[in-house]
Amino acid sequence: DSGVTQTPKHLITATGQRVTLRCSPRSGDLSVYWYQQSLDQGLQFLIQYYNGEERAKGNILERFSAQQFPDLHSELNLSSLELGDSALYFCASSPTGMGSGEQFFGPGTRLTVL
Amino acid sequence: DQQVKQNSPSLSVQEGRISILNCDYTNSMFDYFLWYKKYPAEGPTFLISISSIKDKNEDGRFTVFLNKSAKHLSLHIVPSQPGDSAVYFCAASDNSGAGSYQLTFGKGTKLSVIP
Repeated sequence: DSGVTQTPKHLITATGQRVTLRCSPRSGDLSVYWYQQSLDQGLQFLIQYYNGEERAKGNILERFSAQQFPDLHSELNLSSLELGDSALYFCASSPTGMGSGEQFFGPGTRLTVL
Repeated sequence: DQQVKQNSPSLSVQEGRISILNCDYTNSMFDYFLWYKKYPAEGPTFLISISSIKDKNEDGRFTVFLNKSAKHLSLHIVPSQPGDSAVYFCAASDNSGAGSYQLTFGKGTKLSVIP
């Protein structure tokens, strides 16, 4: 158990809909990262928040947005969903100042868009 | 353009033998390299890392070797055990400044250790 929790575990929805994925980082970790893993793909970095502020952006679509709240949990919002958005979405957290890049991953949310 | 490549999608090894997983990268700015292990229905779990200023790091049965001139790293598992069967991801960290240690991942290698 990494200490990172993600809800829900599974999500099935229709094209055009909007969903929210939730992540709670490990106790004390200020950084939260979101990754997408599509079929036969490695994990693609989407976005990072540090202590409530956006720190870095990767290959995140404009239809996707995220935020980190004062209690440090984070939400990833996916809107106008398309079939191609079906994927595993992972959240990870890291300690402040961890120079090695080590991140601790949650179990993921499997999103299926029908 | 894939900055981190794992060219072998799968690898089968006999129990007790050495497993060698390979990874190539293109970005010279990567400063840390990490290996993650992933079981089905779970998130990736950190295994071992190496700084770009070192060429070897060892932790028990796991050793990572880095060849900067070739932009190549490898993970050695000795001896391999059936519980090592999982997907292994190579990842690289690029400190883009301001404390962002986003990871760039390869596509993974599925290791099967045969009893």
